[in-house]
Amino acid sequence: AQKITQTQPGMFVQEKEAVTLDCTYDTSDPSYGLFWYKQPSSGEMIFLIYQGSYDQQNATEGRYSLNFQKARKSANLVISASQLGDSAMYFCAMREIGDDKIIFGKGTRLHILP
Amino acid sequence: NAGVMQNPRHLVRRRGQEARLRCSPMKGHSHVYWYRQLPEEGLKFMVYLQKENIIDESGMPKERFSAEFPKEGPSILRIQQVVRGDSAAYFCASSPIRYREYEQYFGPGTRLTVT
Repeated sequence: AQKITQTQPGMFVQEKEAVTLDCTYDTSDPSYGLFWYKQPSSGEMIFLIYQGSYDQQNATEGRYSLNFQKARKSANLVISASQLGDSAMYFCAMREIGDDKIIFGKGTRLHILP
Repeated sequence: NAGVMQNPRHLVRRRGQEARLRCSPMKGHSHVYWYRQLPEEGLKFMVYLQKENIIDESGMPKERFSAEFPKEGPSILRIQQVVRGDSAAYFCASSPIRYREYEQYFGPGTRLTVT
């Protein structure tokens, strides 16, 4: 069973608009962490934001925020005031606490239009 | 404070040759993870190593693939007798402590092309 689902293979967004990238996850472990990574065309994996399953507040890092809805098993990434440099592939990922590996979704390719 | 280093960044091999991918973790990190990214896919876990020990190799193909992390030197992912399906980006990540939530720092990846 797929543990991380990203239903948007591609998105086009006008510069300066906010964008929401969807992510749902599946786990029976009560303790887990959720991540978002950015992969630009150069290929490296850039860590953006992290949310722990017991964190009371949604994580925020600059223009990035994670809309964590535990009951829905949803961890959407919100990018405010998008910029041309935000054009990239974005991966949602999860790590069950006590497991060694991070499990990645298939990604969403975001295109920011000038 | 250098990040995770991987070399080579690009590697071209003919079918049947061997590929050796190297990963130097961040200073002070003794835990190394290897992931593979097929074209248009997310990363998939292959193996987790500590110094001189393989801890979890549940994602490694049973044949042709091996990994090591010696006491001295980088971690090596070795692929023998490469086939076209091995063409992918291989990422290494390191962390200072096992089971810490987000402290897996990724290297820039090695792009393997099998011709």
